[in-house]
Amino acid sequence: EPEVTQTPSHQVTQMGQEVILRCVPISNHLYFYWYRQILGQKVEFLVSFYNNEISEKSEIFDDQFSVERPDGSNFTLKIRSTKLEDSAMYFCASSEVGARNYGYTFGSGTRLTVV
Amino acid sequence: GDSVTQMEGPVTLSEEAFLTINCTYTATGYPSLFWYVQYPGEGLQLLLKATKADDKGSNKGFEATYRKETTSFHLEKGSVQVSDSAVYFCALFSGGYNKLIFGAGTRLAVHP
Repeated sequence: EPEVTQTPSHQVTQMGQEVILRCVPISNHLYFYWYRQILGQKVEFLVSFYNNEISEKSEIFDDQFSVERPDGSNFTLKIRSTKLEDSAMYFCASSEVGARNYGYTFGSGTRLTVV
Repeated sequence: GDSVTQMEGPVTLSEEAFLTINCTYTATGYPSLFWYVQYPGEGLQLLLKATKADDKGSNKGFEATYRKETTSFHLEKGSVQVSDSAVYFCALFSGGYNKLIFGAGTRLAVHP
């Protein structure tokens, strides 16, 4: 069964450093997403991406965050200057046209720890 | 805006007990409804879904029926196993917002 792949599985970074979280969505999917889950809390929407541009973003997704699809297969989330409160599990997801019928396929997540 | 409300956990059951996890939603229009499961240390897996009123989603012995009149999508299983211990998330796909919106999650612990 096709999978969404995320790397790394765990990233530790110092406050103020830049991090890039990587995702390889399912190859025939057209919509891509990032969500985050602070430990033990709600799964929160960050951003959706379609046709090489952001289609929607949440209030959390401020100027520190950016997304990119650099080469047609990877989908990355960059956090420019990490803060302690950015520590969370970050999930990438993708969907085909008709997400309302099929839902999203999620990756296993990257646990980001900012120290 | 659109939202999902789940019963608070943790829910603790003995093996073979009956499970209900309540989920209600608020949405404009006619959302699709989903249950996702997160096993310890893993990502989110789609468990079941329903895309219109009165649809019943089912998978691995779990069921949920889309009730428009009560705006609910409660998850049920007749006989839980230890391996069902996980966090369960109710979610809706809102066409108005074009994204999945999750509830807070309900942790289920099943003991032998």
